[in-house]
Amino acid sequence: EVKLVESGGGFVQPGRSLRLSCRTSGFTFGNFGVSWIRQAPGKGLEWVGFIRSNVYGATTEYAANVKGRFTISRDDSVGIAYLQMNSLKTEDTATYFCARDVDYSPSHVDYWGQGVRVTVSS
Amino acid sequence: DIVLTQSPESLAVSLGEGATITCKSNQSLLYPSHNKNYLAWYQQRPGQPPSLLISWASTRESGVPDRFSGSGSGTDFTLTISSLQTEDVAVYYCQQSYSTPLTFGQGTRLEIK
Repeated sequence: EVKLVESGGGFVQPGRSLRLSCRTSGFTFGNFGVSWIRQAPGKGLEWVGFIRSNVYGATTEYAANVKGRFTISRDDSVGIAYLQMNSLKTEDTATYFCARDVDYSPSHVDYWGQGVRVTVSS
Repeated sequence: DIVLTQSPESLAVSLGEGATITCKSNQSLLYPSHNKNYLAWYQQRPGQPPSLLISWASTRESGVPDRFSGSGSGTDFTLTISSLQTEDVAVYYCQQSYSTPLTFGQGTRLEIK
């Protein structure tokens, strides 16, 4: 069974950092890209960024409003993807989902984690 | 950025009746060389993460009931539910992967009348 489980969320003050983890199981993690997608309270879905598999250099792409502040990485030896979030802003408050991408470039996603809540507030 | 506009924003349908949600893109999502439309549909039930229903505009995912169907090409797409069931109460989103940043429609809330 394919599973993705996010962790690392919580309450943080503006300007601080937080690192989310996405632990995977049930598939060969190294063969897939991973997207991070967020959802502000009561709002719609927003794509945050994507990391390719190591076969494609583990290169990343980001939404403009997080580029330079957020970094996605992966550790294929343990099947985990990370979202490092720096210089957090109140507008980053959301539930963050990691999801398995179906293609080598950012595409649609076929499996989602349950999500982890991040609250940025003073 | 590609903008996806869904309509309606909310919809109330009687059990057993059909429902149609549209998604319009401000540019074509068809890659002619691939002959694919880079458009997917997701369902998000209350308190749950989204789940993939339809990919490439019209390919139903494994395990998705056949009352769900997707159609359209280029800039205009439709998600149709042929006979509404209680478990279909959800918010539905379209998403394009033609170019980054990937973008989603604003969502359509489907309720039982």
